[in-house]
Amino acid sequence: DAGVTQSPTHLIKTRGQHVTLRCSPISGHKSVSWYQQVLGQGPQFIFQYYEKEERGRGNFPDRFSARQFPNYSSELNVNALLLGDSALYLCASSFYSGGTDTQYFGPGTRLTVL
Amino acid sequence: QKEVEQDPGPLSVPEGAIVSLNCTYSNSAFQYFMWYRQYSRKGPELLMYTYSSGNKEDGRFTAQVDKSSKYISLFIRDSQPSDSATYLCAMSPNSGGSNYKLTFGKGTLLTVNP
Repeated sequence: DAGVTQSPTHLIKTRGQHVTLRCSPISGHKSVSWYQQVLGQGPQFIFQYYEKEERGRGNFPDRFSARQFPNYSSELNVNALLLGDSALYLCASSFYSGGTDTQYFGPGTRLTVL
Repeated sequence: QKEVEQDPGPLSVPEGAIVSLNCTYSNSAFQYFMWYRQYSRKGPELLMYTYSSGNKEDGRFTAQVDKSSKYISLFIRDSQPSDSATYLCAMSPNSGGSNYKLTFGKGTLLTVNP
């Protein structure tokens, strides 16, 4: 079975631009979460979506938005990019089975903002 | 005070050594405790998953949770050079049966020398 896939692998943008990152969950998984991992730090929770609805949001500005599609894939959008947005953006999928909602991570998209 | 504290290391050990990795936390609502392994420039890979207090063993890996002390540990027996990676602890509360929001430590960089 294929794992979580993300695209693109790497991305270079300049300040003020907009970026869209994409994620396809493991087959059968209905939930997608997004995390930001700055170099030298652990991942930080941005969003979780389940059945196309936002289930949770972390402490990130409104420049960050996301959505989930009927096939459970997801997009993360970041507007008005800042230098501090440079990070590895991770997508995690899970089945959402209540108390044992184990999350499996994709390889990430490395975003560099110049 | 951060919710989850993890010594970032780096930790360097000879092949065959027993490795002990630890995290402390302050949020008594955390019920789910995980250890992820992350190789350089890759996404985190789930190693161990524990609910509430106790021990769990899987091959060379043992996870321990002491909720009274708010302290979790991962032990690696007979460490191998292939274990060289960053180890991240992660935890989440039991909010309505869903544990989607993971809070991570900074990660400990481990090098196992042949």
